[in-house]
Amino acid sequence: GQQVMQIPQYQHVQEGEDFTTYCNSSTTLSNIQWYKQRPGGHPVFLIQLVKSGEVKKQKRLTFQFGEAKKNSSLHITATQTTDVGTYFCGGGATNKLIFGTGTLLAVQP
Amino acid sequence: SAVISQKPSRDICQRGTSLTIQCQVDSQVTMMFWYRQQPGQSLTLIATANQGSEATYESGFVIDKFPISRPNLTFSTLTVSNMSPEDSSIYLCSAAGQGAIRGANVLTFGAGSRLTVL
Repeated sequence: GQQVMQIPQYQHVQEGEDFTTYCNSSTTLSNIQWYKQRPGGHPVFLIQLVKSGEVKKQKRLTFQFGEAKKNSSLHITATQTTDVGTYFCGGGATNKLIFGTGTLLAVQP
Repeated sequence: SAVISQKPSRDICQRGTSLTIQCQVDSQVTMMFWYRQQPGQSLTLIATANQGSEATYESGFVIDKFPISRPNLTFSTLTVSNMSPEDSSIYLCSAAGQGAIRGANVLTFGAGSRLTVL
């Protein structure tokens, strides 16, 4: 079945440093979504990418969808303590979403 | 965007018992899903709750263990049957489609139900 892997599994940064997480699917995706889960919270939708090679930005966050639509990345510029949490990518068919393994981001002030 | 209420938020259960989790959405949604999340792990899709018909289960999950109901477009239940300690997890209800946010399969999640089986 479809598998979605993320690296790294865990990242610890100093506040102000950049952070990137990578998402790789075993199959071609119709779209890729990113979610953030704060400690003790539930996943919250961040963004959806649909087109091959698409790049979207949300303030300090930059999301990219690979040309082959099998991989994606999330880059955070100048991390802040509010960025702490686990970032999940999710992809699949239109009727369900398979989540990646997640990347836990810790930010030291 | 849709607001999803789940209950119970947490429970401690005895081995061999069953527990039903309720999920209420404040607007009609096309799709409802149930996920399981072990502590520190990713979200695993259990099943798609289909309105008026049997749920569609993912590999490794069966109806006898996780019966699901969805009587209308705003409500669903998940039962965890004959529980064992391995069922200790967070169970999350989610919704997508009309009444939910943005694109067709973008998910809104409930706060989750944390089950501990002794």
